[in-house]
Amino acid sequence: NAGVTQTPKFQVLKTGQSMTLQCAQDMNHNSMYWYRQDPGMGLRLIYYSASEGTTDKGEVPNGYNVSRLNKREFSLRLESAAPSQTSVYFCASSPRTGFQHFGDGTRLSIL
Amino acid sequence: GESVGLHLPTLSVQEGDNSIINCAYSNSASDYFIWYKQESGKGPQFIIDIRSNMDKRQGQRVTVLLNKTVKHLSLQIAATQPGDSAVYFCAENYSGGYQKVTFGIGTKLQVIP
Repeated sequence: NAGVTQTPKFQVLKTGQSMTLQCAQDMNHNSMYWYRQDPGMGLRLIYYSASEGTTDKGEVPNGYNVSRLNKREFSLRLESAAPSQTSVYFCASSPRTGFQHFGDGTRLSIL
Repeated sequence: GESVGLHLPTLSVQEGDNSIINCAYSNSASDYFIWYKQESGKGPQFIIDIRSNMDKRQGQRVTVLLNKTVKHLSLQIAATQPGDSAVYFCAENYSGGYQKVTFGIGTKLQVIP
């Protein structure tokens, strides 16, 4: 069972570069989420998509954009990367009610 | 704003002993609570959940207790094993509108062989 798959697993960028983090789930879940995890700060919600065709800002959306491409895929884009965006990024999915299933993360360093 | 917090950032226990990880929450409207385990280099993994109409739920070697009066949640792990070493997060969920989940910062459980 693949569950939630994130690519890439690691990435190093230079300040100002752009990139897209990919996420796909095979559990037919309606909702998908992007979080960042920083030491001592827990998981913070960047954007979420309650259902296909909708996206909404979370707690820390500045500097990011998202696309819910279809029910399976939810991508996160950094248009102009900044060192403050160095973090571990997690994608998650869930049914309409119930717990979230997480991928194994993308470790992103911005120099 | 609303927050979920943990009393102990690090907990060390002897292998075979029972572990108790505590969590305080502040949103009285939260109606669903989840415990996650996160191993190094991995994403959070579901352990057990409980809805607000219950005060106790048991799984395999794990028990979650919910005290709504004092807004307190705990995770009990029986006969702790080295494989239980990880960071444990509690999360509170308010299911009104979209599924809003607030995560605590985590407690690191270290199992001493």
